[in-house]
Amino acid sequence: EAGVTQFPSHSVIEKGQTVTLRCDPISGHDNLYWYRRVMGKEIKFLLHFVKESKQDESGMPNNRFLAERTGGTYSTLKVQPAELEDSGVYFCASSQDRGSRVGGYTFGSGTRLTVV
Amino acid sequence: KQEVTQIPAALSVPEGENLVLNCSFTDSAIYNLQWFRQDPGKGLTSLLLIQSSQREQTSGRLNASLDKSSGRSTLYIAASQPGDSATYLCAVLCSSNTGKLIFGQGTTLQVKP
Repeated sequence: EAGVTQFPSHSVIEKGQTVTLRCDPISGHDNLYWYRRVMGKEIKFLLHFVKESKQDESGMPNNRFLAERTGGTYSTLKVQPAELEDSGVYFCASSQDRGSRVGGYTFGSGTRLTVV
Repeated sequence: KQEVTQIPAALSVPEGENLVLNCSFTDSAIYNLQWFRQDPGKGLTSLLLIQSSQREQTSGRLNASLDKSSGRSTLYIAASQPGDSATYLCAVLCSSNTGKLIFGQGTTLQVKP
């Protein structure tokens, strides 16, 4: 089966610009998650979708970040306007259940965002 | 607030050595704990998952233990190989109601031929 696909793989933008990251989960996975890792820190949870609904968005850093999941399929994460501290690697993951079994999560390769 | 810590941050060993990676967490009320592997430029691959009621899990040369009461887990790698070189991440799932994982910072392992 196809894995979780993220694009772009890399993005370099200037401070103040807008960037949209996309994630295509494994077909049939109702649960979709966004995580990010900023330089030198641990991977942190951003939000969790169940189908098209936001189940938990407690990790979203501020209102410059907007996540959507159209029709319960792919998801986008928009950063507007981008700030220097938004630089990092953004990971998407999907699962059928909620992480209760090994291999339950499938992670994408991530989008490396650099804000200059 | 749950916090996960991994030590050491980096480790370099000669091929063939047995090694232990450590993970600690501050709140023992977890649902499960997972160990992941990340290769450069790649996503995370799940290696082992230990449910809160379990003490250990094994897969090939990997063995993960869990001591929930003391807030600790270890990942034991036997007879290390250069192909084991990667970053190893520990993550806890605090509740089955949410898929939110709390990660440690990871241990970057280098196995020298």
